[in-house]
Amino acid sequence: QKEVEQNSGPLSVPEGAIASLNCTYSDRGSQSFFWYRQYSGKSPELIMSIYSNGDKEDGRFTAQLNKASQYVSLLIRDSQPSDSATYLCAVTLIQGAQKLVFGQGTRLTINP
Amino acid sequence: DAGVTQSPTHLIKTRGQQVTLRCSPISGHKSVSWYQQVLGQGPQFIFQYYEKEERGRGNFPDRFSARQFPNYSSELNVNALLLGDSALYLCASNPTGGWNYGYTFGSGTRLTVV
Repeated sequence: QKEVEQNSGPLSVPEGAIASLNCTYSDRGSQSFFWYRQYSGKSPELIMSIYSNGDKEDGRFTAQLNKASQYVSLLIRDSQPSDSATYLCAVTLIQGAQKLVFGQGTRLTINP
Repeated sequence: DAGVTQSPTHLIKTRGQQVTLRCSPISGHKSVSWYQQVLGQGPQFIFQYYEKEERGRGNFPDRFSARQFPNYSSELNVNALLLGDSALYLCASNPTGGWNYGYTFGSGTRLTVV
C-alpha cells in the first residue's frame, strides 16, 4: 500500500463547475496535509495546508480533512482553465524527519 | 523577497560523472530539503537539513550527499551518475523544519544524464 494515494486522472471538469480531488494516506501519525499545484514543466506551488479535522476555505479552494477515515480532499469552485494542472497531495509526520510524502498527483483539465 | 533559488536551471551530464546542485532558501528559513521528481510521479524526499545538520535522509544510495552552509544555503551532490538519475531536483525551504509549516519549492534543476 502506498503511503499517499491519489487517482492519477486525468480528471476533466467543465469551466465554472466544482472540481473535487481526493487523497488517502496510510500513516495515522500524519499531522500536516498540503495541496500543491504543479503546472507542466514547473515546480510545485503550495495552495492549501490543513492541520485539523474539518474544512478550510481560501478563496475558491476548500481543503477537507478527515483523520478518522484518513482522507483529505480539495474542492475548487468556479473552475477556470488556468486551474488546469497536476495537483499533488502531501503529508508529513510529527515524528522524525519532517519530510513531505507525496502522492503521484491528479491531472486536472478544465474545459472551456 | 526572493523565493527559493536554485542553480543551475538545466544540466546535461554523462553517465559516471558527478554533479553539484545549489539552493538558497527564503531569507530567514533555516531548513532546506531536497526532492527528486521523475516524470509522472510525485517528488521523492532525499534529504532534510536544519541548522547545518542532517535531519533526515530518504531511500537513496550513498552516491547522493548534501550539506548546508552557515548562511543556510545548501548543495546536493550526486556521484557516479546513472541514466536513472535524470529527473527534476527540487529544493524546498521551511522556517524551522517543523511539521506545522508548509514548504516552499524552488524552480528546480532539470538534470539529464546521457
